[in-house]
Amino acid sequence: DVVMTQSPLSLPVTLGQPASISCRSSQSLVYSDGNTYLNWFQQRPGQSPRRLIYKVSNRDSGVPDRFSGSGSGTDFTLKISRVEAEDVGVYYCMQGTHWLPAITFGQGTRLEIK
Amino acid sequence: EVQLVESGGGLVQPGGSLRLSCAASGFTLSTYWMTWVRQAPGKGLEWVANIKQDGSERYYVDSVKGRFTISRDNAKNSLYLQMNSLRDEDTAVYYCARRFDIWGQGTMVTVSS
Repeated sequence: DVVMTQSPLSLPVTLGQPASISCRSSQSLVYSDGNTYLNWFQQRPGQSPRRLIYKVSNRDSGVPDRFSGSGSGTDFTLKISRVEAEDVGVYYCMQGTHWLPAITFGQGTRLEIK
Repeated sequence: EVQLVESGGGLVQPGGSLRLSCAASGFTLSTYWMTWVRQAPGKGLEWVANIKQDGSERYYVDSVKGRFTISRDNAKNSLYLQMNSLRDEDTAVYYCARRFDIWGQGTMVTVSS
């Protein structure tokens, strides 16, 4: 299975400051169709996960533009330009390229306000 | 409103069975791959199973193969997860998801004697 490794696992950030989360895969996530199936999810405390970004850099509907995704191959990044209080939670990357044998998630990065 | 609502969770003894349901509304279930994802208490997300639009293809994480069965009834706008031979390590909140863009609120499954 493809291993997804996130860093850091804990991210204390001051309100209004930027934040960045790294996600690395054990294999290239470029699929045979040319797309890269790397998603980012946010899980606020006590809530279900919510997809923020799909195919590396595409924001889902309703996601604030302070969230952005980038990367290629095996290295990916989620950036928050200015952290707000509502951004507290755990962020996960997920690969869907090598969905056989398994879709896999990163361990999660816990974002908290300093 | 596009919505997924899970039900069927509860407390079950090791070796027991449980059937989870996921009711879809606000969209046509038959046009989407559907997924079950679980989250053990205090842990991260784990993909469990996928099913194709017409049910002709189904895929599972290794740890549940032979014990869990994903199915769907498009006429009833419903997705299911039949869980047999349950183990302590199956204890988790189980989420159904529409191709990962829409998630339900989750249903808790506790396996304990």
